[in-house]
Amino acid sequence: EAGVAQSPRYKIIEKRQSVAFWCNPISGHATLYWYQQILGQGPKLLIQFQNNGVVDDSQLPKDRFSAERLKGVDSTLKIQPAKLEDSAVYLCASSLWTSPYEQYFGPGTRLTVT
Amino acid sequence: GNSVTQMEGPVTLSEEAFLTINCTYTATGYPSLFWYVQYPGEGLQLLLKATKADDKGSNKGFEATYRKETTSFHLEKGSVQVSDSAVYFCALGLSGGYNKLIFGAGTRLAVHP
Repeated sequence: EAGVAQSPRYKIIEKRQSVAFWCNPISGHATLYWYQQILGQGPKLLIQFQNNGVVDDSQLPKDRFSAERLKGVDSTLKIQPAKLEDSAVYLCASSLWTSPYEQYFGPGTRLTVT
Repeated sequence: GNSVTQMEGPVTLSEEAFLTINCTYTATGYPSLFWYVQYPGEGLQLLLKATKADDKGSNKGFEATYRKETTSFHLEKGSVQVSDSAVYFCALGLSGGYNKLIFGAGTRLAVHP
Protein backbone atom coordinates (compact mmCIF):
# COMPACT_ATOMS: atom_id res chain seq x y z
CA GLU A 1 0.00 0.00 0.00
CA ALA A 2 1.45 3.34 -1.03
CA GLY A 3 1.85 5.88 1.75
CA VAL A 4 1.10 9.58 1.83
CA ALA A 5 3.17 11.38 -0.79
CA GLN A 6 4.33 14.96 -0.50
CA SER A 7 6.38 17.25 -2.69
CA PRO A 8 8.70 18.98 -2.71
CA ARG A 9 10.72 17.63 0.21
CA TYR A 10 12.64 20.85 0.67
CA LYS A 11 12.04 24.43 -0.36
CA ILE A 12 13.97 27.64 0.24
CA ILE A 13 12.35 30.96 -0.61
CA GLU A 14 12.75 34.61 0.27
CA LYS A 15 10.22 36.44 2.39
CA ARG A 16 7.27 37.85 0.47
CA GLN A 17 7.57 35.13 -2.15
CA SER A 18 4.88 32.48 -2.63
CA VAL A 19 5.17 28.71 -2.32
CA ALA A 20 2.91 25.69 -2.81
CA PHE A 21 3.02 22.20 -1.37
CA TRP A 22 1.33 19.13 -2.79
CA CYS A 23 -0.06 16.07 -1.04
CA ASN A 24 -1.46 12.79 -2.32
CA PRO A 25 -3.16 10.83 0.47
CA ILE A 26 -3.61 7.09 0.84
CA SER A 27 -6.21 5.79 -1.56
CA GLY A 28 -9.62 5.61 0.06
CA HIS A 29 -8.85 8.00 2.89
CA ALA A 30 -11.62 10.58 2.99
CA THR A 31 -10.00 12.83 5.57
CA LEU A 32 -6.89 14.87 4.84
CA TYR A 33 -4.94 17.09 7.23
CA TRP A 34 -2.25 19.74 6.86
CA TYR A 35 -0.04 20.37 9.89
CA GLN A 36 2.69 22.90 10.57
CA GLN A 37 5.62 21.70 12.70
CA ILE A 38 7.97 24.39 13.90
CA LEU A 39 11.38 23.23 15.11
CA GLY A 40 11.14 21.90 18.66
CA GLN A 41 7.34 21.79 18.66
CA GLY A 42 4.72 19.19 17.89
CA PRO A 43 2.60 19.27 14.76
CA LYS A 44 -0.15 21.90 14.79
CA LEU A 45 -3.26 21.34 12.70
CA LEU A 46 -3.77 23.99 10.03
CA ILE A 47 -6.70 22.60 8.10
CA GLN A 48 -8.76 19.43 7.87
CA PHE A 49 -10.74 18.26 4.83
CA GLN A 50 -13.50 15.69 4.70
CA ASN A 51 -13.57 14.62 1.05
CA ASN A 52 -13.29 18.01 -0.69
CA GLY A 53 -14.98 20.08 2.04
CA VAL A 54 -13.25 21.97 4.86
CA VAL A 55 -14.29 20.83 8.35
CA ASP A 56 -11.74 22.78 10.43
CA ASP A 57 -9.54 25.69 9.39
CA SER A 58 -9.62 27.56 12.68
CA GLN A 59 -5.79 27.63 12.96
CA LEU A 60 -5.11 28.55 9.34
CA PRO A 61 -3.76 32.12 8.88
CA LYS A 62 -6.22 32.90 6.13
CA ASP A 63 -4.62 36.21 5.18
CA ARG A 64 -1.68 34.33 3.70
CA PHE A 65 -2.42 30.60 3.70
CA SER A 66 -4.88 28.81 1.47
CA ALA A 67 -5.60 25.18 0.75
CA GLU A 68 -7.78 23.18 -1.56
CA ARG A 69 -8.63 19.58 -2.16
CA LEU A 70 -10.04 19.17 -5.61
CA LYS A 71 -12.09 16.04 -6.34
CA GLY A 72 -11.55 14.84 -2.79
CA VAL A 73 -8.10 13.36 -3.47
CA ASP A 74 -4.93 15.46 -3.89
CA SER A 75 -4.48 18.66 -1.94
CA THR A 76 -2.41 21.80 -2.27
CA LEU A 77 -1.36 24.19 0.50
CA LYS A 78 -0.20 27.65 -0.55
CA ILE A 79 1.53 30.47 1.30
CA GLN A 80 1.46 33.95 -0.23
CA PRO A 81 3.33 36.02 0.80
CA ALA A 82 5.68 34.05 3.04
CA LYS A 83 7.08 35.42 6.29
CA LEU A 84 10.19 34.39 8.18
CA GLU A 85 8.05 32.74 10.88
CA ASP A 86 6.58 30.38 8.28
CA SER A 87 9.84 28.41 8.31
CA ALA A 88 8.73 24.95 9.41
CA VAL A 89 8.01 21.44 8.24
CA TYR A 90 4.59 21.10 6.61
CA LEU A 91 3.07 17.70 7.14
CA CYS A 92 0.22 16.12 5.28
CA ALA A 93 -1.73 13.25 6.82
CA SER A 94 -4.77 11.22 5.89
CA SER A 95 -7.17 8.87 7.64
CA LEU A 96 -10.30 6.87 7.15
CA TRP A 97 -13.42 8.79 8.06
CA THR A 98 -14.19 6.12 10.67
CA SER A 99 -10.75 6.35 12.37
CA PRO A 100 -9.87 10.04 12.55
CA TYR A 101 -7.17 9.63 15.18
CA GLU A 102 -5.28 6.93 13.28
CA GLN A 103 -3.56 9.23 10.89
CA TYR A 104 -0.94 8.33 8.30
CA PHE A 105 1.68 11.00 7.77
CA GLY A 106 3.77 11.87 4.78
CA PRO A 107 7.49 12.70 5.08
CA GLY A 108 6.81 16.44 5.12
CA THR A 109 8.13 19.47 3.27
CA ARG A 110 10.81 21.49 5.02
CA LEU A 111 10.34 25.18 4.21
CA THR A 112 13.02 27.75 4.90
CA VAL A 113 12.11 31.42 4.45
CA THR A 114 15.10 33.77 4.27
CA GLY B 1 -7.48 24.89 27.02
CA ASN B 2 -6.47 21.52 25.66
CA SER B 3 -2.75 20.73 25.76
CA VAL B 4 -0.12 18.03 26.11
CA THR B 5 3.14 18.32 28.04
CA GLN B 6 6.02 15.91 27.48
CA MET B 7 9.34 15.56 29.21
CA GLU B 8 12.11 17.33 27.39
CA GLY B 9 14.71 15.39 25.53
CA PRO B 10 16.93 14.13 24.35
CA VAL B 11 16.72 10.94 26.36
CA THR B 12 19.90 8.92 25.94
CA LEU B 13 19.96 5.27 26.99
CA SER B 14 22.08 2.19 26.55
CA GLU B 15 20.62 -0.82 24.80
CA GLU B 16 18.43 -2.98 27.09
CA ALA B 17 17.78 -0.10 29.51
CA PHE B 18 14.31 0.70 30.83
CA LEU B 19 12.52 3.60 29.17
CA THR B 20 9.98 6.04 30.55
CA ILE B 21 8.81 9.12 28.67
CA ASN B 22 6.42 11.23 30.72
CA CYS B 23 3.27 12.75 29.24
CA THR B 24 0.57 14.74 31.00
CA TYR B 25 -2.45 16.40 29.48
CA THR B 26 -5.09 19.03 30.06
CA ALA B 27 -8.43 18.51 28.38
CA THR B 28 -12.12 19.08 28.72
CA GLY B 29 -14.26 16.00 28.49
CA TYR B 30 -12.85 12.53 28.00
CA PRO B 31 -10.21 12.49 25.31
CA SER B 32 -8.53 9.50 23.73
CA LEU B 33 -4.75 9.34 24.15
CA PHE B 34 -2.06 8.33 21.67
CA TRP B 35 1.63 7.88 21.21
CA TYR B 36 3.03 8.54 17.75
CA VAL B 37 6.63 7.80 16.73
CA GLN B 38 8.80 9.34 14.03
CA TYR B 39 11.79 7.28 12.95
CA PRO B 40 14.63 9.09 11.17
CA GLY B 41 13.64 10.04 7.64
CA GLU B 42 10.08 8.77 8.00
CA GLY B 43 6.63 10.23 8.67
CA LEU B 44 4.90 10.02 12.04
CA GLN B 45 3.15 6.75 12.69
CA LEU B 46 0.75 5.62 15.37
CA LEU B 47 2.47 3.52 18.04
CA LEU B 48 -0.34 2.86 20.52
CA LYS B 49 -3.58 4.24 21.86
CA ALA B 50 -6.01 4.19 24.80
CA THR B 51 -9.57 5.38 24.54
CA LYS B 52 -10.75 5.50 28.16
CA ALA B 53 -9.47 5.69 31.72
CA ASP B 54 -7.41 2.70 32.93
CA ASP B 55 -7.01 1.37 29.38
CA LYS B 56 -3.50 0.15 28.56
CA GLY B 57 -2.24 0.57 25.03
CA SER B 58 0.63 -1.63 23.85
CA ASN B 59 2.63 -2.27 20.70
CA LYS B 60 6.18 -3.40 19.83
CA GLY B 61 7.01 -3.83 23.52
CA PHE B 62 5.89 -0.30 24.41
CA GLU B 63 3.07 0.31 26.91
CA ALA B 64 1.14 3.27 28.25
CA THR B 65 -1.77 3.42 30.71
CA TYR B 66 -4.46 6.11 30.62
CA ARG B 67 -4.48 7.56 34.15
CA LYS B 68 -7.39 9.95 34.57
CA GLU B 69 -6.61 10.74 38.21
CA THR B 70 -3.14 12.02 37.34
CA THR B 71 -4.03 13.10 33.76
CA SER B 72 -1.03 11.13 32.49
CA PHE B 73 -0.15 8.69 29.73
CA HIS B 74 3.51 7.78 30.28
CA LEU B 75 5.26 5.64 27.69
CA GLU B 76 7.36 2.70 28.94
CA LYS B 77 9.46 -0.08 27.50
CA GLY B 78 11.32 -2.67 29.51
CA SER B 79 14.34 -3.09 27.24
CA VAL B 80 15.09 -0.60 24.48
CA GLN B 81 16.97 -1.39 21.28
CA VAL B 82 19.05 0.80 19.01
CA SER B 83 16.20 0.60 16.49
CA ASP B 84 13.90 2.40 18.96
CA SER B 85 15.87 5.62 18.43
CA ALA B 86 13.24 8.10 17.23
CA VAL B 87 11.12 11.06 18.29
CA TYR B 88 8.06 10.15 20.34
CA PHE B 89 4.95 12.35 20.39
CA CYS B 90 2.14 12.13 22.91
CA ALA B 91 -1.23 13.30 21.60
CA LEU B 92 -4.78 13.67 22.76
CA GLY B 93 -7.80 13.21 20.55
CA LEU B 94 -10.64 15.67 20.93
CA SER B 95 -14.12 14.78 19.83
CA GLY B 96 -17.28 16.78 19.41
CA GLY B 97 -18.17 18.25 16.08
CA TYR B 98 -14.96 17.30 14.37
CA ASN B 99 -12.17 15.11 15.63
CA LYS B 100 -8.64 16.48 15.96
CA LEU B 101 -5.31 15.58 17.49
CA ILE B 102 -3.35 17.85 19.82
CA PHE B 103 0.34 16.91 19.92
CA GLY B 104 3.00 17.41 22.53
CA ALA B 105 6.39 18.83 21.56
CA GLY B 106 7.98 15.43 21.15
CA THR B 107 10.80 13.66 22.99
CA ARG B 108 13.87 12.48 21.14
CA LEU B 109 15.22 9.09 22.23
CA ALA B 110 18.75 7.98 21.37
CA VAL B 111 19.73 4.39 22.20
CA HIS B 112 23.41 3.45 22.08
CA PRO B 113 24.82 -0.08 21.77
